[in-house]
Parts: sequence; structure tokens; C-alpha cells
Amino acid sequence: AQKITQTQPGMFVQEKEAVTLDCTYDTSDPSYGLFWYKQPSSGEMIFLIYQGSYDQQNATEGRYSLNFQKARKSANLVISASQLGDSAMYFCAMREVNFGNEKLTFGTGTRLTIIP
Amino acid sequence: SQTIHQWPATLVQPVGSPLSLECTVEGTSNPNLYWYRQAAGRGLQLLFYSVGIGQISSEVPQNLSASRPQDRQFILSSKKLLLSDSGFYLCAWSSISFGISGNTIYFGEGSWLTVV
Repeated sequence: AQKITQTQPGMFVQEKEAVTLDCTYDTSDPSYGLFWYKQPSSGEMIFLIYQGSYDQQNATEGRYSLNFQKARKSANLVISASQLGDSAMYFCAMREVNFGNEKLTFGTGTRLTIIP
Repeated sequence: SQTIHQWPATLVQPVGSPLSLECTVEGTSNPNLYWYRQAAGRGLQLLFYSVGIGQISSEVPQNLSASRPQDRQFILSSKKLLLSDSGFYLCAWSSISFGISGNTIYFGEGSWLTVV
């Protein structure tokens, strides 16, 4: 079974609209972390936002917020007031740490295109 | 501040030739280090990670190997490249976990490898 699932291979959104990128995960560990990264065409991976499994509140970083629904095992990224520069690949990732062993898993990504 | 660099940025290598990609981290000590591969249009696949000098964990069987000769140096190698080794290779680092899953993972600029 997939550890991280991103069901939207591509999305087109009008500039200035909000956009939600879906991410569901699967783990039996009680302690884990969820990340979102942005990868523009240059290839660099840019960290956007982090949510810990024990965090009570949803994470926010500027225009980025993470809609964390633990019972549903979903960690959707919300980008408010989208901009042309938001066009990129977006990856959801999960980090599990168990007895000193570390597992890092990325989803297959969503290509977001902002339309002017 | 911490920085991570990897090189070379791009290389074209013939099948059967050796490979050496190098990654160094500055501004931190005893980091976790990672090598990821991203095939064209695909997500990231964790290849190796290291929690200390000489300590390498391999996630997938392949003809690649990794070494960590110094605390902040991580090297990805191959004795004989295959066509399937083509892809985008990313080095990354994070702070030592100690059971905490929330340490952010930071990526290098990436190396584009084309095996011909």
C-alpha cells in the first residue's frame, strides 16, 4: 500500500484563487511528521510547511496552511491567493521515526499551474 | 546558517562508466544525510541515508553505493552505470532525530545525470 498518496497529478487554477492540494498517508506509528515541498522547474526542493502528528493546531506559513485531519489521515496543503510564481510541482512527504530508524516517504506529486 | 551543496550539477556519462556525486553540508554538525533519486516526472525515491560517519542504510537494492568519509560529506557512487540510473539526484540533510519526527529536511541543488 502507498504510504503517501497524492491523487491529483495536475491542477490548473486561476490566479488569485485559493487552491487545495490533496495528500493522504498511511502509518501505524503514533509519532510522525508531514511536510510539503515545492519543486519549480529548476529542480530545487523548497520546504514549505510542516505538521507534527501531535500538533493540536493546523500549521500555517504565510499563504500556506496545512489542513490536518488525523482521523482521516489527510494533510492537504492550502495556498491562498495563488500567484503565477506558485506554478510548480508540489510533494507531500511523511517522516516516521521508530527506535532510531528513520523512514522518509514522498508522494508522486501534483503539478500546479496558475493561469493568469 | 546551514548550507548544503552538491556537485556536479549536470553530467552525461556513458553506460558502464563510474559515477561520483558529492554533497557537503556547512554550518551544522552530525547531520542526518540522504540521497534521493527522482526519475523524470516522478516522485522522490530514497536511496541511502546516514546517521553518522561510516553508517549507511540502503533503502533499495541497486548498483549504487554511498559513503560518508567525513561528518558533513556524503558521496554517491557507482562502478558501472546503467541506462536506468539516469535521473535527478538530490542530497539532503536534517538534524539528528532522537525520536523527533519534525526536523525539517533541506535539499541541495540537485544533479542531473544522463546515462547514454
